[in-house]
Amino acid sequence: SQQGEEDPQALSIQEGENATMNCSYKTSINNLQWYRQNSGRGLVHLILIRSNEREKHSGRLRVTLDTSKKSSSLLITASRAADTASYFCATDLYYGNNRLAFGKGNQVVVIP
Amino acid sequence: EPEVTQTPSHQVTQMGQEVILRCVPISNHLYFYWYRQILGQKVEFLVSFYNNEISEKSEIFDDQFSVERPDGSNFTLKIRSTKLEDSAMYFCASSEDSHQETQYFGPGTRLLVL
Repeated sequence: SQQGEEDPQALSIQEGENATMNCSYKTSINNLQWYRQNSGRGLVHLILIRSNEREKHSGRLRVTLDTSKKSSSLLITASRAADTASYFCATDLYYGNNRLAFGKGNQVVVIP
Repeated sequence: EPEVTQTPSHQVTQMGQEVILRCVPISNHLYFYWYRQILGQKVEFLVSFYNNEISEKSEIFDDQFSVERPDGSNFTLKIRSTKLEDSAMYFCASSEDSHQETQYFGPGTRLLVL
């Protein structure tokens, strides 16, 4: 079955640096969503990019989507200590009923 | 800002007991979901619910699981006879009336089965 898969990274960066993480998936999608999860807590929605969009911005977040490569990237610019979290991509199947398929997540640690 | 709420935040139960996890979706949303996350693993889809019936369920959602919308605001997940492997964080989510929309997640219920 199709699923979002992040590059299984643990990023450790200094405050102020940019953080980039990637996600790949296997089959056609309606949209791709990025979520943040602070340790043991709930999932906070960050951004949704539709299959006909290539790039989207929201504040310090920039998401790209390449449907030909079935991949997406999330860039966090000018990172802050509060950005320390796990980041997940989730895909909504093109022929599905809204179920989201989540990747394994990227752990990002921003060092003050 | 409207948000999805879940109760309880934590639940400890004995194997074989029934548990009911409760959720209050965002008020104008019509699609509701349950997901779970076993410690250290991916978030997994369990079930979606629309118009008072299940619209899709995963292979995890077997006969031990059921969902209900008993009134206009609550959405519940029942596990009839809990197993050790049901220990996980359970997330409720909701979205507006068409698919391809953002799913907003609640804070989760951490279930521990002993």
